[in-house]
Amino acid sequence: KNEVEQSPQNLTAQEGEFITINCSYSVGISALHWLQQHPGGGIVSLFMLSSGKKKHGRLIATINIQEKHSSLHITASHPRDSAVYICAVSYNTDKLIFGTGTRLQVFP
Amino acid sequence: DVKVTQSSRYLVKRTGEKVFLECVQDMDHENMFWYRQDPGLGLRLIYFSYDVKMKEKGDIPEGYSVSREKKERFSLILESASTNQTSMYLCATDLGLANYGYTFGSGTRLTVV
Repeated sequence: KNEVEQSPQNLTAQEGEFITINCSYSVGISALHWLQQHPGGGIVSLFMLSSGKKKHGRLIATINIQEKHSSLHITASHPRDSAVYICAVSYNTDKLIFGTGTRLQVFP
Repeated sequence: DVKVTQSSRYLVKRTGEKVFLECVQDMDHENMFWYRQDPGLGLRLIYFSYDVKMKEKGDIPEGYSVSREKKERFSLILESASTNQTSMYLCATDLGLANYGYTFGSGTRLTVV
């Protein structure tokens, strides 16, 4: 069983919709990462957080340490947001454990 | 910004060939990682290195080896390529401080025929 569970696995949305992707993990962590992978493979780090909330443009990441849960929100979604979004966690080491990703497609 | 460069975007090799995947970073990052990514399985750690000539096995090291002779270069070696090693291979680096962000290369899609 993967230690990091993401939901949903696939998500389609109309341009402008508010999008939420969820990530749950099984034990206490030192940090949680949200990553974005576009077709072609390259991965970009979006957020790294260990508590609270971070915002960058239309992207918001939150984490609830007690519930072992994080969400990635995209406001006013756009077709260029179409990508795979990956949650990953670290446990006081430099190694990451990855979820299997959420494939998002935003249609105009 | 840190740049992580993987030498090939696409590679096709024959079963039994020795394959080298190269990864070069242009900053002084301590840690370098090799992952493979397969549908439904996410990214899985093959090997990582926390210093020159130092390496540690990840979750799926079988069939692979690595080399880190210089700090900026981390090579993944498939000693005798097999079809089950067809995958996307991603290199990543980080500064070596716990909870610091990662930087990924653009990936190499390897097909073994």
